[in-house]
Amino acid sequence: QITLKESGPTLLKPTQTLTLTCNFSGFSLSTSGVGVGWIRQPPGKALEWLALIYWHDDKRYSPSLKSRLTITTDTSKNQVVLTMTDVDPVDTATYFCAHKETGRTFDHWGQGTLVTVSS
Amino acid sequence: DIQMTQSPSIVSASVGDRVTITCRASHSFISWLAWYQQKPGKAPKLLIYKASTLQPGVPSRFSGSGSGTEFTLTINNLQPDDFATYYCQQYSSFWTFGQGTKVEIK
Repeated sequence: QITLKESGPTLLKPTQTLTLTCNFSGFSLSTSGVGVGWIRQPPGKALEWLALIYWHDDKRYSPSLKSRLTITTDTSKNQVVLTMTDVDPVDTATYFCAHKETGRTFDHWGQGTLVTVSS
Repeated sequence: DIQMTQSPSIVSASVGDRVTITCRASHSFISWLAWYQQKPGKAPKLLIYKASTLQPGVPSRFSGSGSGTEFTLTINNLQPDDFATYYCQQYSSFWTFGQGTKVEIK
């Protein structure tokens, strides 16, 4: 059974760096074809894909946020970490991590974690 | 970037109705299109991938079709559990979601 769970700070001040951790089980990020992505959703708004890391450590970033994002993995800990620099109130959102496999899209999601950016 | 535009933004329907939601892409692609259902406070749930393939466990009243730039999600015999917001998503070039369609009780 695949499960994912996000964790991180609930409140940040503008210009700070956000670090989110996705702990997962039921699959290995060392398995060919597997990826873990991050998606966010501002309150009352649509979903926005942020970043994805593949089993072979290839990484993809949203073009609009690429300069502020870093995605890494610790396969031994079954964790994926997303870092976002220089946060702003517009970054207030629920952040989800999700699993995908080659040829498919995000089929298992974490419950999400709400991050608020406010001075 | 491939932009996804859903219509309508809101649809009011009754139990037993057929609901159709359309998603249009700014650039043509072949079938790398998914549909999600999201309820308030919950993560999205994958319903359909590759435009028309039902995710295991999803009721057969959900169906998807389309290719190129126009895709459709159809819900037949709408059930009380189906009142939610639905998102399309392309995964041909990165991943882009539509703005969502809320299916509300008429």
